[in-house]
Amino acid sequence: LAKTTQPISMDSYEGQEVNITCSHNNIATNDYITWYQQFPSQGPRFIIQGYKTKVTNEVASLFIPADRKSSTLSLPRVSLSDTAVYYCLVGDAYNTDKLIFGTGTRLQVFP
Amino acid sequence: GAVVSQHPSRVICKSGTSVKIECRSLDFQATTMFWYRQFPKQSLMLMATSNEGSKATYEQGVEKDKFLINHASLTLSTLTVTSAHPEDSSFYICSAKTSQETQYFGPGTRLLVL
Repeated sequence: LAKTTQPISMDSYEGQEVNITCSHNNIATNDYITWYQQFPSQGPRFIIQGYKTKVTNEVASLFIPADRKSSTLSLPRVSLSDTAVYYCLVGDAYNTDKLIFGTGTRLQVFP
Repeated sequence: GAVVSQHPSRVICKSGTSVKIECRSLDFQATTMFWYRQFPKQSLMLMATSNEGSKATYEQGVEKDKFLINHASLTLSTLTVTSAHPEDSSFYICSAKTSQETQYFGPGTRLLVL
């Protein structure tokens, strides 16, 4: 299972764009990259998943370079409610593969 | 996204008793369910993987006789914490997936053992 490395914490202000980068140097050919958001005392919430290039949904964008050794979650115009822990996970999402959580990035959004 | 529920949301029990936590996939059939534990200010730690109709696979260091997992149907998995002790107090989270989807997580169960 590919290990991931993320910044422990990030600070931002409301209305700004936030980019959280995750390093996964040992990603395997069949691995997908998935990001989850977790609020205190809640289960993680799926944000976005991708394999290569760029993926965009109503919540975020995920940028994956050609070598796939890293990925960047982009949150446009964050609000106070985006304050949470963001986890980057790598695994074979389409098979019965387990996901191993790293430390995650604690994002604090200020008014 | 798919919906996963857990019951109860929180439970308080006396030391030495057993506690059962249910995990249900509400709008899809989950071929695989996972159980995690999370201590305050820490990340989620995978405890075990369960496939419907077969025995669960436990992660290293997780006692299978203490944390009993049953995955009797494609929509229900249960975790029983047997002879619970204060150190078992934690936030227990399940997730579920089908073979062609990513994992979706339940809301978690807060266990406090007195």
